[in-house]
Amino acid sequence: QVQLIVSGGGLVKPGGSLRLSCAASGFTFTDYSLSWIRQAPGKGLEWLSHIGPSGNSIYNGDSVEGRFTISRDTAESTVYLQMNSLRVEDTAVYYCARGGSGSYYRRFEFWGQGTLVAVSS
Amino acid sequence: EIILTQSPGTLSLSPGERATVSCRASQSVSTKFLAWYQQKPGQAPRLLIYGASNRATGIPHRFIGSGSGTDFTLTISRLEPEDFAVYYCQQFTDSPPGFIFGPGTRLDV
Repeated sequence: QVQLIVSGGGLVKPGGSLRLSCAASGFTFTDYSLSWIRQAPGKGLEWLSHIGPSGNSIYNGDSVEGRFTISRDTAESTVYLQMNSLRVEDTAVYYCARGGSGSYYRRFEFWGQGTLVAVSS
Repeated sequence: EIILTQSPGTLSLSPGERATVSCRASQSVSTKFLAWYQQKPGQAPRLLIYGASNRATGIPHRFIGSGSGTDFTLTISRLEPEDFAVYYCQQFTDSPPGFIFGPGTRLDV
């Protein structure tokens, strides 16, 4: 079965950095896009960043452009989110999600369990 | 930039009743990329509907998606106790490329 195991969250000071990992299994890693999505406490969902199946298609949301970098390692079947210059407002649960297939591939078909990132001094 | 709005913000109903959640886009969007998700407290969201009207694998038939253009609807025909959750619509846009979520609708008992 499809699994997305998210790790790397924790407490970090403003201006600090953190790298999140999302280890994928149960599907052919190179066939699917992956995204990072976050949810601030008590708030809605915010899409952050997308990487295509081969890693050559990347796009980011405005709130993280220039600070967060998505990447993927095919050998490890893992997608990463490098987060730099963290702000208090980046405090959230961070999810990774896998895209769909076929004509309706622009959907988030499977989600990881999420990891909490807390930015505080 | 496309904005998705959802109404109502909160919907209070009882098991057995019909729920209707609206998602409106600020400009016409593709039905191909309109999806709905359910999220329960402490859990990751779950895909319910994709392509505006296609149920995801394992989703009960009481969940029905419809709409086109700027107006989309998620209907739950007869509420079960496990349906009380928050529901989000989501769209993909080409320009600039990216995904957008609606603000969510809380379905309360």
